[in-house]
Amino acid sequence: LAKTTQPISMDSYEGQEVNITCSHNNIATNDYITWYQQFPSQGPRFIIQGYKTKVTNEVASLFIPADRKSSTLSLPRVSLSDTAVYYCLVGDINLGLTGGGNKLTFGTGTQLKVEL
Amino acid sequence: EPEVTQTPSHQVTQMGQEVILRCVPISNHLYFYWYRQILGQKVEFLVSFYNNEISEKSEIFDDQFSVERPDGSNFTLKIRSTKLEDSAMYFCASSPRGDHNYGYTFGSGTRLTVV
Repeated sequence: LAKTTQPISMDSYEGQEVNITCSHNNIATNDYITWYQQFPSQGPRFIIQGYKTKVTNEVASLFIPADRKSSTLSLPRVSLSDTAVYYCLVGDINLGLTGGGNKLTFGTGTQLKVEL
Repeated sequence: EPEVTQTPSHQVTQMGQEVILRCVPISNHLYFYWYRQILGQKVEFLVSFYNNEISEKSEIFDDQFSVERPDGSNFTLKIRSTKLEDSAMYFCASSPRGDHNYGYTFGSGTRLTVV
């Protein structure tokens, strides 16, 4: 499993764009990058997933450079409700197709605090 | 949007007592999981369950823990004799497949307090 490194915390203000970078220098060829969000006293929530270049959905964008050794989660125009912990996970998403499922390994994540 | 439902939201129990945490996964999902998070610490994998049997478990999931899918809709985690260190948030999750292509859906958790 590729080791990931993220900032422990970030602060921002409402309306700003927030970029959280995750380093994963030993990412393997079959690994994808997945981001989860966790609000206090709630379970993690899947945000976005990608393999290379750029992925965008209604919540966020994920930028992955050609060497894939890092990735950046971009949250456009954050609000107070985006205050949460954001986790970067790297792994082979196709593991488990044989029937066993595949566990998620969470790191400490990045605590994003959005203020007025 | 379909949800994973967990009950109770908060349970207080005395050390040595048995507790059962309940989960209703999303109806068409086939893979089920339990995770826990001790206050201020990481989310930790406990166990995965597929086709009515455990497919993987962590070192945390010792003989005091068991899981069951008794009726085709509920998925339960039982702790036979609780210890103080079992105090944590317990999250149930489910997924339609065993891979990560669509992410997992987590419930809101049960906060277990052992006194």
